Amino acid sequence: NAGVTQTPKFQVLKTGQSMTLQCAQDMNHEYMSWYRQDPGMGLRLIHYSVGAGITDQGEVPNGYNVSRSTTEDFPLRLLSAAPSQTSVYFCASSLGGYTGELFFGEGSRLTVL
Amino acid sequence: AQSVTQLDSQVPVFEEAPVELRCNYSSSVSVYLFWYVQYPNQGLQLLLKYLSGSTLVESINGFEAEFNKSQTSFHLRKPSVHISDTAEYFCAVSDRGGSEKLVFGKGTKLTVNP
Repeated sequence: NAGVTQTPKFQVLKTGQSMTLQCAQDMNHEYMSWYRQDPGMGLRLIHYSVGAGITDQGEVPNGYNVSRSTTEDFPLRLLSAAPSQTSVYFCASSLGGYTGELFFGEGSRLTVL
Repeated sequence: AQSVTQLDSQVPVFEEAPVELRCNYSSSVSVYLFWYVQYPNQGLQLLLKYLSGSTLVESINGFEAEFNKSQTSFHLRKPSVHISDTAEYFCAVSDRGGSEKLVFGKGTKLTVNP
């Protein structure tokens, strides 16, 4: 089973460039989310979606955009990359029903120069 | 809003020693509590969770955590650790009305030495 797949695994950008981090899940999960992980900061929620066509902001949404056109995919867009967005990004999904069990991808390491 | 405090950023222990990783939470509503584990260069995996019922919950690899409502704690324990337990451990909380929105602590890096 593929689970949650993130691409790319590594990316280097220059300040001001834009890019999209891809996330796909094959578990028919309604809930999907994006977190960023920074040293000593734990994981912080960027955006989340409770189903196709529905998205909402998390704790640190500025500089990021999301859409959810299908159940399977939840891309994260960086509109104009900044060095402060250097981080490891994790996509996670959940079946829902308030079980709290998130299934995580392996992460995408982004460096903004 | 919820918050989670993991009191130790790093915990070094010797193999076969007991370990406790501490977690305290803050919330104005009833919560669900979780421990996730992250092995090097991997995503997070659910280790155990408290939703309701018995306040003592166990994982399949020998970890346990106890929900203490009066002390707002959910400490993780293992009586005898292995080298393979070396990882970063994250405590997380969600409110019972929207539990997929987890709030994570900053993590505790457990290093098991031979």
